[in-house]
Amino acid sequence: KAGVTQTPRYLIKTRGQQVTLSCSPISGHRSVSWYQQTPGQGLQFLFEYFSETQRNKGNFPGRFSGRQFSNSRSEMNVSTLELGDSALYLCASSFSGGGNEQFFGPGTRLTVL
Amino acid sequence: GESVGLHLPTLSVQEGDNSIINCAYSNSASDYFIWYKQESGKGPQFIIDIRSNMDKRQGQRVTVLLNKTVKHLSLQIAATQPGDSAVYFCAENQGGTALIFGKGTTLSVSS
Repeated sequence: KAGVTQTPRYLIKTRGQQVTLSCSPISGHRSVSWYQQTPGQGLQFLFEYFSETQRNKGNFPGRFSGRQFSNSRSEMNVSTLELGDSALYLCASSFSGGGNEQFFGPGTRLTVL
Repeated sequence: GESVGLHLPTLSVQEGDNSIINCAYSNSASDYFIWYKQESGKGPQFIIDIRSNMDKRQGQRVTVLLNKTVKHLSLQIAATQPGDSAVYFCAENQGGTALIFGKGTTLSVSS
């Protein structure tokens, strides 16, 4: 069974731009969660989608948004990029989320200049 | 083997030793806990999980212990190998859909 895939793996943007990251979950998984990982803050929950609906949201500004498609693939968007948005963005999929085993993708490394 | 009484950011052990990595979790209502291993350039990899109705669970060379009284979780790795070198994170689920991650511990195994 193929794992969680994320594209692109690396991205360089400048302040003020916007970016869209993509995540394809494991086949059959309906929950996709997004996390931001930085050296200072560690792994922080952004949001979770289940059956095309945002089910939970972390404490991030509205510049961070996401969506999920009918095939469970998910995208996250960050608008008006700031230097502090430089991070590894990780996507995790699970059958139903939360209290079930979550499988992570390799992440997208975003650098904001 | 070496153990860490409190969370420390790094742990160095010799190949063949047993390693113990500790984690304090935040919410007494958390009902599901997971240990992840993250190697450089990769996403976190599931190691083992435990639910709050258990106090111990064993996997292949790994054991997780849960002490709900003091809100403490530990990961024991038997016969540590160089391939075990990585950053280890504990995560808790508080009944919702998000995982709350602890600060990681970098395990270095020397041969």
